[in-house]
Amino acid sequence: SYELTQPPSVSVSPGQTARITCSGLTLPKQYAYWYQQKPGQAPVLIISKDTERPSGIPERFSGSSSGTTVTLTISGVQAEDEADYHCQSTDSSGPYSWVFGGGTKLTVL
Amino acid sequence: EVQLVESGGDLVQPGGSLRLSCEASGFTLSPYSMNWVRQAPGKGLEWLSYIGSSSSTMYYGDSVKGRFTISRDNAKNSLYLQINSLRAEDTAVYYCARVRHLGSYYMDVWGKGTTVTVSS
Repeated sequence: SYELTQPPSVSVSPGQTARITCSGLTLPKQYAYWYQQKPGQAPVLIISKDTERPSGIPERFSGSSSGTTVTLTISGVQAEDEADYHCQSTDSSGPYSWVFGGGTKLTVL
Repeated sequence: EVQLVESGGDLVQPGGSLRLSCEASGFTLSPYSMNWVRQAPGKGLEWLSYIGSSSSTMYYGDSVKGRFTISRDNAKNSLYLQINSLRAEDTAVYYCARVRHLGSYYMDVWGKGTTVTVSS
């Protein structure tokens, strides 16, 4: 079955840049989406279609794509950015097979 | 405010059944497709099921096919998930989420989840 691979954890100091990767064979053909999830809360969409930032999401969050890897970049990390980050895609053009990465825990040191 | 509120989670014994509900407020459910997603303790997100706006299309993840049934009642602005033959590995927080399709499929509104615990 199709998989997306994320690192389990990333740690950065406040003010630094955090980069979280997500790799999958169909990412060149299907868009990826990023969700932020804080403890005890529902996921929130923060990046759409690889690179687009929904309304209300701070500019320090950005997305990029290269081949089979998409990257979430958080510039000038703040303490409030400590959370789990999940990438999501589909393994086809239809809504019948959704896949998530395993999630990455971002720790702000 | 656009919101989804899940309910129906409980402590149940293995082999039992539950019906989860998800009520939409601040928007009309009928034009939207919907998903159920779960998260086991300490684990990542797992897609479970999708239903089209008119209930004409329904899809399921491999781990729940044959045991879970998704449905909706647009008149009640509500989504449901019937879960049968519960197993310990079904223990998780269950989320409903609104589906969007702009070039690809994603979820733009999530509920806060309802907890299902399967234990004897």
